[in-house]
Amino acid sequence: RKEVEQDPGPFNVPEGATVAFNCTYSNSASQSFFWYRQDCRKEPKLLMSVYSSGNEDGRFTAQLNRASQYISLLIRDSKLSDSATYLCVVTLSDSWGKLQFGAGTQVVVTP
Amino acid sequence: DVKVTQSSRYLVKRTGEKVFLECVQDMDHENMFWYRQDPGLGLRLIYFSYDVKMKEKGDIPEGYSVSREKKERFSLILESASTNQTSMYLCASSFTASGALYEQYFGPGTRLTVT
Repeated sequence: RKEVEQDPGPFNVPEGATVAFNCTYSNSASQSFFWYRQDCRKEPKLLMSVYSSGNEDGRFTAQLNRASQYISLLIRDSKLSDSATYLCVVTLSDSWGKLQFGAGTQVVVTP
Repeated sequence: DVKVTQSSRYLVKRTGEKVFLECVQDMDHENMFWYRQDPGLGLRLIYFSYDVKMKEKGDIPEGYSVSREKKERFSLILESASTNQTSMYLCASSFTASGALYEQYFGPGTRLTVT
């Protein structure tokens, strides 16, 4: 079983619509959670951290559910530029910052 | 602007060849990482280094070795390339400082094909 599992998609979303997707993790000792974004043929970049209480960054909202061991990402008012693969990332507690990546969820925003 | 560079964007090698992938970062980061990315599997950690001359195995170190002689440079070595090492290789770096530890900066990747 994979440590971090994501629906690969693609999620086809009309411009201006809302899209949400989840990611599940298997290790209950996971400490920190993030969403990274990877554009086609580009490198991953940190999108946002995921805090226990949930957090927003503009049109993006991230939630954590420790009891059910999943995190979610919601994108409101989708833009064409939001088309990308969103990588779910979890960590255990260590001093070197090792990350455990999901395989990604592809989002395609259409005009 | 932060920068991680990798020596090649595309590389084609023959089975059995020794392959060197170079990564350089200009941010004075302590930590450096090598991943491979394959469809459906995501990024998998091969090796990482938290200081000069220090290295630790990641999740899939078999068939690979690394070298970190200078803080800014982290090399991945395939001693004898095999076809199952055909992949996208990504280098990343990060600070150790609290609050920045999990923000990794990635290079553009090297697509390696072993024939």
